[in-house]
Amino acid sequence: AQSVTQLGSHVSVSEGALVLLRCNYSSSVPPYLFWYVQYPNQGLQLLLKYTSAATLVKGINGFEAEFKKSETSFHLTKPSAHMSDAAEYFCAAISNFGNEKLTFGTGTRLTIIP
Amino acid sequence: DTAVSQTPKYLVTQMGNDKSIKCEQNLGHDTMYWYKQDSKKFLKIMFSYNNKELIINETVPNRFSPKSPDKAHLNLHINSLELGDSAVYFCASSLRDRYNEQFFGPGTRLTVL
Repeated sequence: AQSVTQLGSHVSVSEGALVLLRCNYSSSVPPYLFWYVQYPNQGLQLLLKYTSAATLVKGINGFEAEFKKSETSFHLTKPSAHMSDAAEYFCAAISNFGNEKLTFGTGTRLTIIP
Repeated sequence: DTAVSQTPKYLVTQMGNDKSIKCEQNLGHDTMYWYKQDSKKFLKIMFSYNNKELIINETVPNRFSPKSPDKAHLNLHINSLELGDSAVYFCASSLRDRYNEQFFGPGTRLTVL
C-alpha cells in the first residue's frame, strides 16, 4: 500500500530564510506526487506536482520540489520565506497505474518568524 | 467563476440529526470525490463517483451516503450524526483520465454537538 510521510509536523523559519519541508513516499513504483497548501480556514490549493517528467518541479509562489527516486523523496523548498507563506502544507501521492486514491501525508504547519 | 463549490461552509448540528452537504463543479469534470479532514488535519478519501457511478468507497460507515444526480454534483448525506463525524469535508473533481489533477472545494466544517 502506498503511504506518504512528512517529517516534522511543525516547522518555523525566519522571514527571508530557506524553507525546507520534507516528504517521503513508499511505493514500489514512483507515483505522481503533489504538494498542496492550506491557508487557515480555506481549502486546498495545488502548489506543484510531479508526473514523471522533469525531476525538479517549479510551482506557484516561488516554491519548487525535487523528485529523488533513490531517496524516495519529494521535498519542498523556497529560497526566501515570506510572511504570507505561513500555512499548512500537505504532500500527497497517487498511483500512476489507475488507482485513483490520493494519499496525503499528515501535513506540516509552517510558521514564519518576523 | 467558482470551480468547485460547497454548501454550506459551516454546519453545526446535534447528535442524531441527519444532514447533507452539497458540492457542485463547473469545470466539465466527470469524476468527483469526497475527502474527510479530521481534527488532526489528516486527510483521507471517502468516496469517488465517475459519471454518477460509485468507483471508490473507502471503509466509511453506511450512515454516509453519497448521491450524484449528475456528473456536476456530488452530495453527501449523513444519517444519525455522531460526535466523531465532526470534521472538515472537502469535495474535489477531476477528469477520469486525468485523475492526478484534482481540484478541491473550500471545505465544509461540520461540528456535531
